[in-house]
Amino acid sequence: DIVMTQSPLSLPVTPGEPASISCRASQSLLHNDGHNYLDWYLQKPGKSPQLLIYMASNRASGVPDRFSGSGSGTDFTLKISRVEAEDVGVYYCIQVLQTPFSFGPGTKVDVK
Amino acid sequence: EVQLLESGGTLVQPGGSLRLSCTASGVTVGTYAFNWVRHAPGKGLEWISVIVGSAADTYYADSVKGRFTISRDISKNTVFLQMSSLRADDTAVYYCVARQGRPPPYWGQGSLVTVSP
Repeated sequence: DIVMTQSPLSLPVTPGEPASISCRASQSLLHNDGHNYLDWYLQKPGKSPQLLIYMASNRASGVPDRFSGSGSGTDFTLKISRVEAEDVGVYYCIQVLQTPFSFGPGTKVDVK
Repeated sequence: EVQLLESGGTLVQPGGSLRLSCTASGVTVGTYAFNWVRHAPGKGLEWISVIVGSAADTYYADSVKGRFTISRDISKNTVFLQMSSLRADDTAVYYCVARQGRPPPYWGQGSLVTVSP
């Protein structure tokens, strides 16, 4: 089974400043079709998870362009170019390459 | 427009059974992989099951294997999650998620299952 880890697990942020979250997989998520099967979600308190990035680097519809995803193989990064107050919540990566699919433990982002 | 509507969540006693439904519109159950993901209070997101392909292959997380069964009814365009031997730690909001390869997935709004005496 593929194990997902994230760092940091807690991230205090300052509005207007950049932020970055790392996600690492225990095995490569690069499929032979050339795509990395890794998504990023944000779950705000009391809300359903919101897809931010799919296939490692594709921004989902309606997601602000301050969010970007990068990486390949086993190491991935979600970047927020300028954090806004509404970006607080828990961020998760998930590998969807092979079953059982697996989420990272989550990174809790809050405002300093 | 794609919509996934979960239903069936309720309060159930430990050891009991419950069936969740996910009724889809805008996508065909037989051509998408349908997953169930749950979020327990104070915990992280957990993927628990998927049904996929023309053969309706099924896969489960270890935490629910042997207790939960995923199935689908193509005529009703609905996916089910039959849950048995429920425990307190199965208390969660259960989400239905549909995906077809590389395009982004679709999520339902969730259904709350509470396991308590």
